[in-house]
Amino acid sequence: DTGVSQNPRHKITKRGQNVTFRCDPISEHNRLYWYRQTLGQGPEFLTYFQNEAQLEKSRLLSDRFSAERPKGSFSTLEIQRTEQGDSAMYLCASSLRGISTDTQYFGPGTRLTVL
Amino acid sequence: SQQGEEDPQALSIQEGENATMNCSYKTSINNLQWYRQNSGRGLVHLILIRSNEREKHSGRLRVTLDTSKKSSSLLITASRAADTASYFCATITMDSSYKLIFGSGTRLLVRP
Repeated sequence: DTGVSQNPRHKITKRGQNVTFRCDPISEHNRLYWYRQTLGQGPEFLTYFQNEAQLEKSRLLSDRFSAERPKGSFSTLEIQRTEQGDSAMYLCASSLRGISTDTQYFGPGTRLTVL
Repeated sequence: SQQGEEDPQALSIQEGENATMNCSYKTSINNLQWYRQNSGRGLVHLILIRSNEREKHSGRLRVTLDTSKKSSSLLITASRAADTASYFCATITMDSSYKLIFGSGTRLLVRP
């Protein structure tokens, strides 16, 4: 399977704990995006990378959230001191800079539940 | 905040009927895209229409775009039970950002 993969698929944690999610984009894609989706809503943008550079961050991304993309390949999203309001589906997407740059391919998501 | 509103929020039709979903957005766009999401799964890209295009087809899908009204519609013809899913429009705006701004989605149920 050469699509976007995300791990873990599900994460249950207690309030105050730290969690880290991983996204592996499609191999030749140089752009990588993180979105968050709550029940019944459309995804909301969090941040995006072009290669290893983090080029844009949403105001939704509080200082408890940090994302990295070392070496421009996989990316991690860490949430520190989780709160119940962080419970959501975290989606990763990737795209290729080129002629058709705007199609983003999404992974299956990581569903986070904060108790 | 989200860019768009979708209408209706939920739609239930019989297999074989056509389904039409509408999307409105707020700011000038570079392009508009439609995605499908099955229950509990990731988003699948369906079709992209650029701001200088008015209509686009892909298989049983037809998308229209009216930039003067800041609206788009997605028509699924001859629907199948497998089309049951949530459908989202998403825009890329003219501010050179590459992020997608999603609407709130239409939940489509196709009854066999």
